[in-house]
Amino acid sequence: KNEVEQSPQNLTAQEGEFITINCSYSVGISALHWLQQHPGGGIVSLFMLSSGKKKHGRLIATINIQEKHSSLHITASHPRDSAVYICAVEETSGSRLTFGEGTQLTVNP
Amino acid sequence: DADVTQTPRNRITKTGKRIMLECSQTKGHDRMYWYRQDPGLGLRLIYYSFDVKDINKGEISDGYSVSRQAQAKFSLSLESAIPNQTALYFCATSDGTGVPKGYTFGSGTRLTVV
Repeated sequence: KNEVEQSPQNLTAQEGEFITINCSYSVGISALHWLQQHPGGGIVSLFMLSSGKKKHGRLIATINIQEKHSSLHITASHPRDSAVYICAVEETSGSRLTFGEGTQLTVNP
Repeated sequence: DADVTQTPRNRITKTGKRIMLECSQTKGHDRMYWYRQDPGLGLRLIYYSFDVKDINKGEISDGYSVSRQAQAKFSLSLESAIPNQTALYFCATSDGTGVPKGYTFGSGTRLTVV
């Protein structure tokens, strides 16, 4: 079993829909990261969380440390949001990231 | 210029050849990492370095070596490339100060071994 599990693996939505991507992890962490990878491969950091909730534009990330679960929400989704979204955790025992497999999001116009 | 620059962006090489992937950064970060991404798998850590004199193996270091030439430069070498090393390779940096740490990724190097 992977230490970081994401769901769903693939998600197709219509423009304007509210989207949720989930991430569960099994280890103690100091932080959780949400990353975005566009076609062409580059990876961009969206959020870094150690508690609570963060918002940036139409993106919202939440984390529940007790339940070892995080969610990434996209409001009013747009085709330009189509990308792979990756959850990664920074374990308390080390200074490295462990990655989920990613969620492929496609938003159709 | 990008904060973390990887060269080359794409490379096709033959089995048995030696190849070097280079990474340079202008973030001033002490910590640098090399990751490999394969379809259907999460990124996996190959090597990491917390400063110029510190090199550590990651979870999949076999078949790879690294060199930290300076704080800003971290190179990954495949001494004798094999087809299952075909993948997308990423360099990343983090500041290593305080917790949690921010990460910056390069644009990736797509390597094909034929």
